[in-house]
Amino acid sequence: EPEVTQTPSHQVTQMGQEVILRCVPISNHLYFYWYRQILGQKVEFLVSFYNNEISEKSEIFDDQFSVERPDGSNFTLKIRSTKLEDSAMYFCASSGTAGYQPQHFGDGTRLSIL
Amino acid sequence: DQQVKQNSPSLSVQEGRISILNCDYTNSMFDYFLWYKKYPAEGPTFLISISSIKDKNEDGRFTVFLNKSAKHLSLHIVPSQPGDSAVYFCAASRSGGYQKVTFGTGTKLQVIP
Repeated sequence: EPEVTQTPSHQVTQMGQEVILRCVPISNHLYFYWYRQILGQKVEFLVSFYNNEISEKSEIFDDQFSVERPDGSNFTLKIRSTKLEDSAMYFCASSGTAGYQPQHFGDGTRLSIL
Repeated sequence: DQQVKQNSPSLSVQEGRISILNCDYTNSMFDYFLWYKKYPAEGPTFLISISSIKDKNEDGRFTVFLNKSAKHLSLHIVPSQPGDSAVYFCAASRSGGYQKVTFGTGTKLQVIP
């Protein structure tokens, strides 16, 4: 069964550094998403992306965050200047185009900011 | 912002019995509801969904019921198996291609052999 893959599985970064989280969505999906889960809290929506542009973003997704689809397979989340509170699990998801389509999630990247 | 609520943080059930997980929502704009299962160190895995035009959807041992008037949905697992032990997230969205999913806080199910 096709799946969403994310790399790396764990990223440790110094505060203030830039970090790029990578995702390969399911190949025939055209909608892409990033979510995060801070330890002990709910899974929260960050951003959705379609047709090479952001469709919706949450208030968490401020100017420090950006997303990109640099080629036909990858989807990335960049955090420009990381803060301690960015430490979380980051999940990438993708979904099909028609009607009621569930989002399928990757296994996440654990981001630890020191 | 508790638009999707799972009031039971945990549930223990004997193997072979029925597991019932409950979920309430407040946003009337939601018309697509999903259940995800999550194991430690893995991402949420899609389990089953239901649109607001239905009140029941069944897939093998899993059945989701939707009561729109009460803004309540439930997931039934029959019979429960030890491998079902995981955290179950209720989630909701509006229909349409790029709609975000709003998650509940999860219910940790333990199926006792």
